Amino acid sequence: KAGVTQTPRYLIKTRGQQVTLSCSPISGHRSVSWYQQTPGQGLQFLFEYFSETQRNKGNFPGRFSGRQFSNSRSEMNVSTLELGDSALYLCASSLKFQETQYFGPGTRLLVL
Amino acid sequence: SQQGEEDPQALSIQEGENATMNCSYKTSINNLQWYRQNSGRGLVHLILIRSNEREKHSGRLRVTLDTSKKSSSLLITASRAADTASYFCATTNTGNQFYFGTGTSLTVIP
Repeated sequence: KAGVTQTPRYLIKTRGQQVTLSCSPISGHRSVSWYQQTPGQGLQFLFEYFSETQRNKGNFPGRFSGRQFSNSRSEMNVSTLELGDSALYLCASSLKFQETQYFGPGTRLLVL
Repeated sequence: SQQGEEDPQALSIQEGENATMNCSYKTSINNLQWYRQNSGRGLVHLILIRSNEREKHSGRLRVTLDTSKKSSSLLITASRAADTASYFCATTNTGNQFYFGTGTSLTVIP
């Protein structure tokens, strides 16, 4: 099976802009989770989608949102970008949220 | 704050030696998982241990779980240079939250 793919791999934006990241899960996986990784805060859970519904959410402001499509592909959107949003954004898919998660290579976002 | 704290933060050993890293967490969990991350890349799942299990093996990996102490350890035996990476524990709790630990950076010197 093909692994989890994320696009784009690298992105440079300026403060105030918005960005959309995309994630394609492993075929058959309906749970897709998003994480933010920064040197200061480590790996933090953003949210999880299952069958097009957001089931779980971490402690991030409303500027961070996502959605999942009927084919389980997911997008994550960050509006009004801040410098502190610079991070590696990781997507993971699994059969069940609390079980083994398979991670994509990540999208590295730099906000200038 | 994060659920899991790992120690040590960094570990440097010679090839062939064993590496042990520890993870402590705060609340009751459903399971605990260990992941490896090579420099700035995606995470790779290593092993999952459920709350009713005490020990699990996978190849050169041995994981223990002590729910009374809210802690887990990952032992990598006969380490190799390719084991150089960051290692994270991740816990899932009854509230359906998924938390990663702070990570241990392992360097295996050839």
